[in-house]
Amino acid sequence: DSGVTQTPKHLITATGQRVTLRCSPRSGDLSVYWYQQSLDQGLQFLIQYYNGEERAKGNILERFSAQQFPDLHSELNLSSLELGDSALYFCASSPDSYEQYFGPGTRLTVT
Amino acid sequence: QKEVEQDPGPLSVPEGAIVSLNCTYSNSAFQYFMWYRQYSRKGPELLMYTYSSGNKEDGRFTAQVDKSSKYISLFIRDSQPSDSATYLCAMSAPGNQFYFGTGTSLTVIP
Repeated sequence: DSGVTQTPKHLITATGQRVTLRCSPRSGDLSVYWYQQSLDQGLQFLIQYYNGEERAKGNILERFSAQQFPDLHSELNLSSLELGDSALYFCASSPDSYEQYFGPGTRLTVT
Repeated sequence: QKEVEQDPGPLSVPEGAIVSLNCTYSNSAFQYFMWYRQYSRKGPELLMYTYSSGNKEDGRFTAQVDKSSKYISLFIRDSQPSDSATYLCAMSAPGNQFYFGTGTSLTVIP
């Protein structure tokens, strides 16, 4: 158990809908990272927050957004969902940039 | 061309064998190099990370980085059935950009 929690574990929704994924980092970690993992693309870095501020952006679509709250938990919002957004979404937390601890993931299925 | 290339395998070895997993990369700005292990339907677990060229050892695992060749390796000695998983290499570039390989699936046969 990495100490990172993610909810929900599974999410099934329809195209065009909006969902919110939640992540609670390990105690004391200020950084949160979001990743998307699909079979054909592997693990793709989406975005990083550090102590409430956006620090780095990867291949995140404009339909996706994230934020980190004062209690350091983070949410990833996915809107106007498409079939291709079906994937595993992981968050990771870190005490520094290189030692990342991944949560169990949220499996999103868009039908 | 992908930033990070990793042979997906699958790789199947007998218990006790030495396993070699490799990645190549194209971006000479990559600074940190990491290896993760991912069991089916679980989150990746950090095994090792290195900064400079050379070797770093941790128990049965050795990470090797050759920046001149843009090539990194992970060696697993005395492989065990519990090592059966997908292994992901990862690299970070300035600006906190992280790039992962697609993973190599390893099965260690008892």
